Amino acid sequence: DQQVKQNSPSLSVQEGRISILNCDYTNSMFDYFLWYKKYPAEGPTFLISISSIKDKNEDGRFTVFLNKSAKHLSLHIVPSQPGDSAVYFCAASPHSGGGADGLTFGKGTHLIIQP
Amino acid sequence: DGGITQSPKYLFRKEGQNVTLSCEQNLNHDAMYWYRQDPGQGLRLIYYSQIVNDFQKGDIAEGYSVSREKKESFPLTVTSAQKNPTAFYLCASRRLAGRPANEQFFGPGTRLTVL
Repeated sequence: DQQVKQNSPSLSVQEGRISILNCDYTNSMFDYFLWYKKYPAEGPTFLISISSIKDKNEDGRFTVFLNKSAKHLSLHIVPSQPGDSAVYFCAASPHSGGGADGLTFGKGTHLIIQP
Repeated sequence: DGGITQSPKYLFRKEGQNVTLSCEQNLNHDAMYWYRQDPGQGLRLIYYSQIVNDFQKGDIAEGYSVSREKKESFPLTVTSAQKNPTAFYLCASRRLAGRPANEQFFGPGTRLTVL
C-alpha cells in the first residue's frame, strides 16, 4: 500500500524546457512534503520542501506546487539543464514542525535531460 | 566540514553472517535514520532514533538491529535473519528544532552484497 506515489518511472525533457515531476499521496496526515535529487550510488540531496499551509514554494529554478484537495504535488524545473539528470524522490511527513518520524518516499522518477 | 559519513562504501558478506554498517554525523543533529533502497524502489525506513539510548522500528525493521550510544553515531547491524539483505543502505540525520525541521541530510550510502 503505497502512501506516496510517483507514477512516472522516467521522464525525458529537452534542455532549456520545463520539467514537471508529479507526486500523489493518500495519507491525509501528511502535511509536509520534500523533494530530493539522487545520483546513482550516492545519498539523496535535499532540493525543496513545502508545508501544507502553502500551495507554492519557489527556490531559483525549482518550484513546488501543492494541491491539498487533490493530494497532489508537482516539482517544476525551469529551465532544465543537463546536470538535472537524476532520480527525483518525493517524500512526505506527518509532522511539519516536530516529531522524529522518518519520511515516506515515492519510488522516484528518473529525469533525463536531452541536449 | 560537517556531514554524515558511512563506511565502507561497498561491503561483501557471506550468507548467514551478521554485518554492521557504520554511520557518523558531526552536524550535532538529534535524530538519525536508516533507510534501505532496492532497485526501482523508493527509500524504506528501517529504524530511527531521536535521542541517545532510544530508537524506534520503522516499516521494515525485521532482521535488523541498531544502537545509539552516542549522539553522533548510529550503527546498523544486518543480521542473518534478514532474508534479502543485499541493498543500498542510507543513513540520515536531522535537527528536531528550528526550520526546516523536517529536512533530512543523507550520507553517501553503503552498498551491501551478500554472496
